[in-house]
Amino acid sequence: DGGITQSPKYLFRKEGQNVTLSCEQNLNHDAMYWYRQDPGQGLRLIYYSQIVNDFQKGDIAEGYSVSREKKESFPLTVTSAQKNPTAFYLCASIQGYTEAFFGQGTRLTVV
Amino acid sequence: GQQLNQSPQSMFIQEGEDVSMNCTSSSIFNTWLWYKQEPGEGPVLLIALYKAGELTSNGRLTAQFGITRKDSFLNISASIPSDVGIYFCAGRQQGGSEKLVFGKGMKLTVNP
Repeated sequence: DGGITQSPKYLFRKEGQNVTLSCEQNLNHDAMYWYRQDPGQGLRLIYYSQIVNDFQKGDIAEGYSVSREKKESFPLTVTSAQKNPTAFYLCASIQGYTEAFFGQGTRLTVV
Repeated sequence: GQQLNQSPQSMFIQEGEDVSMNCTSSSIFNTWLWYKQEPGEGPVLLIALYKAGELTSNGRLTAQFGITRKDSFLNISASIPSDVGIYFCAGRQQGGSEKLVFGKGMKLTVNP
């Protein structure tokens, strides 16, 4: 079945550690997005990519990095520069001016 | 970044009641989407609207693309306990990129 897969479901990060969240899609969509979700704040855009080997900062890109080496994959790295990384992270893909399809999310917790 | 104004922020209702929520924007949109998110999961698309005035139903759900192109509403009729979750609106600005902007969500609680 076509879809978008995020892994892991739960992730724990120690202070000062970088962690990478995986996002893979087999929908053949050109565009992929990363959002952060905090309680009561809706979805905030971190980074997005409209084509392979290109990506743009969203509204809250500081402390995060991404790569888009393949159409199917858009991993997000939460760096040690992100001082408040505990949140629910959502990846989405879109083809053209249609609806976004979301993964099941990764809950990141700092320990 | 721009966010849509979604209201109400939360609702507590009895099973069988109808629910109505809306989203507004200060600019014109050419796409309105409604999503439902259950705890610990990603949002799932409920209804997509692409034309001003469009009224679309999906089972007990009905959504409309406002004629001014600056608002949209979602109604849920005869609510059931499994309707609980957070409902998000999302939209795409006319003349803008394919990026979506989101409302802050409405948390629905249904008491059996």
